[in-house]
Amino acid sequence: DAKTTQPPSMDCAEGRAANLPCNHSTISGNEYVYWYRQIHSQGPQYIIHGLKNNETNEMASLIITEDRKSSTLILPHATLRDTAVYYCIVRVAGGGTASKLTFGTGTRLQVTL
Amino acid sequence: DTAVSQTPKYLVTQMGNDKSIKCEQNLGHDTMYWYKQDSKKFLKIMFSYNNKELIINETVPNRFSPKSPDKAHLNLHINSLELGDSAVYFCASSQAGLTNTEAFFGQGTRLTVV
Repeated sequence: DAKTTQPPSMDCAEGRAANLPCNHSTISGNEYVYWYRQIHSQGPQYIIHGLKNNETNEMASLIITEDRKSSTLILPHATLRDTAVYYCIVRVAGGGTASKLTFGTGTRLQVTL
Repeated sequence: DTAVSQTPKYLVTQMGNDKSIKCEQNLGHDTMYWYKQDSKKFLKIMFSYNNKELIINETVPNRFSPKSPDKAHLNLHINSLELGDSAVYFCASSQAGLTNTEAFFGQGTRLTVV
């Protein structure tokens, strides 16, 4: 699976959009971009994933550049409850039963009043 | 109704003891995982099972023995506990191969070895 690079930490004011970048310059054509987050003392939580088109769900939007070498997770109106570590993971679609999620160090997002 | 549940949530034990952590999922998934998160917050996969069959074993010491009695359960037994085993252990489940889908994680078991 391709390696990802994320800033170690970011701050965001409550109510503003939080834009979390991820660099995955070695991504292959059959690899998806996944985002998970881990709120303090909880298990990781799935947010969104995409292949090449932009995606939106009730939690967030995922913007993938045309060359797919980077992506941005957007939380449109961050709240204090969005304070967490956000993980960008790139992994092969399918991959059979041996597939796994490989977590990096993530971005610690601090939402402030 | 909790999708992936682990018990116990906290476990404090002495070095040398043997302990087990249980995990159950009610999502109908056929693949389950154990992850370990150490003091530096790094999350690393330990094992995965698919339909009760061991698929991934990431060079974990053989003191750790996962057991899957059925595809809804994956328990982790640890023999001769060591100080370095202190960590948070997360169970997760997904459909086979994580094909274009997501994994669901439990709330974790914080193991402290003293």
